[in-house]
Amino acid sequence: EPEVTQTPSHQVTQMGQEVILRCVPISNHLYFYWYRQILGQKVEFLVSFYNNEISEKSEIFDDQFSVERPDGSNFTLKIRSTKLEDSAMYFCASSKDTGELFFGEGSRLTVL
Amino acid sequence: SQKIEQNSEALNIQEGKTATLTCNYTNYSPAYLQWYRQDPGRGPVFLLLIRENEKEKRKERLKVTFDTTLKQSLFHITASQPADSATYLCALDPSKNNAGNMLTFGGGTRLMVKP
Repeated sequence: EPEVTQTPSHQVTQMGQEVILRCVPISNHLYFYWYRQILGQKVEFLVSFYNNEISEKSEIFDDQFSVERPDGSNFTLKIRSTKLEDSAMYFCASSKDTGELFFGEGSRLTVL
Repeated sequence: SQKIEQNSEALNIQEGKTATLTCNYTNYSPAYLQWYRQDPGRGPVFLLLIRENEKEKRKERLKVTFDTTLKQSLFHITASQPADSATYLCALDPSKNNAGNMLTFGGGTRLMVKP
């Protein structure tokens, strides 16, 4: 069964460093998303991406964040200068146009 | 302000019984509502989607109801099994298209099914 894959599964970084989280969405899906979940808290929307551009973004997705689809398969989330409060599990998801999202297993980011 | 509320207390039930989880929302007019399952340390897994013009949806042992007047969805698991133990999340998207845009999740309810 097709699945969304994410790398790395866990990344530890120093505050102020740049981080890139990578995702390979399901191949015939058209919409791509990043969500995050701080430990013990809700899953929160960050950004959605369609037709090579951002379609929606939340207040969390400020200038420190960017997304890119550099080729036909990868979808990346970059955090330019990490802060302690960026420590969370970051989930990539993809969908067709039916509303249901298919999530990856997440990338745990720890900022020291 | 917009809110999605799920019972934050864990629901403990005996194997074979029906589990009922509640999702209440305020200040939303969602086009549809979704339910996901999340196991510890893993990504949410889609279970069911119900649209605003549907009262009930079923899938195997799962049933979801959606009452837009009460602003409430109920999620039922019949003949529950220990393997059903997980956190169940409801999620709303106020947009009228089906592209699953800015889903807002509730805090989830943890279900524990005891053998």
